[in-house]
Amino acid sequence: AQKVTQAQTEISVVEKEDVTLDCVYETRDTTYYLFWYKQPPSGELVFLIRRNSFDEQNEISGRYSWNFQKSTSSFNFTITASQVVDSAVYFCALSTKTSYDKVIFGPGTSLSVIP
Amino acid sequence: EAQVTQNPRYLITVTGKKLTVTCSQNMNHEYMSWYRQDPGLGLRQIYYSMNVEVTDKGDVPEGYKVSRKEKRNFPLILESPSPNQTSLYFCARGLRGDNTGELFFGEGSRLTVL
Repeated sequence: AQKVTQAQTEISVVEKEDVTLDCVYETRDTTYYLFWYKQPPSGELVFLIRRNSFDEQNEISGRYSWNFQKSTSSFNFTITASQVVDSAVYFCALSTKTSYDKVIFGPGTSLSVIP
Repeated sequence: EAQVTQNPRYLITVTGKKLTVTCSQNMNHEYMSWYRQDPGLGLRQIYYSMNVEVTDKGDVPEGYKVSRKEKRNFPLILESPSPNQTSLYFCARGLRGDNTGELFFGEGSRLTVL
């Protein structure tokens, strides 16, 4: 069975600090996909990134970076120089090649960036 | 502009009064899904559809029905709503055509059952 764990329920940081959101996943499938979604206070869910299991390269997009490590089954998300607009709930999610129709979400991490 | 449109966005109803939350997409994607979001539980899949007339249960289907008579529409039906169905509901379609589970979500429908 697939599972996604986000151990940090809530995080508060001061603006301009760096922050890392942890995500640990479980699956027995060899081909799988990992995602991060952002839910700002307005409530919509915004897709941020997808990482395929066969591609372990880390990715950077502006102030956002993602660290995928198969050895520890983790897909962590780092925000550098955080801003108030980064305040949101962030969800990590997992699907597999054999069950891509069932995307499993973690419980989410609520990030508050204090000015 | 690619959209997934849900209606109503907000609804307060009473136990037992049937309701339907509509979901419509304008990108002709085959895959659509319904999720509910509850505090501390993240998003849980209710039902999904791989194509017209093809629907299947997700993790929490009890108390819900869906239909997929045409590709663009995927309504969620609560035949006899109960207070434990008070939640934030999201409809989603596949984001791309590569069947990886990447999702594009509607704006959400907040439902309160008294």
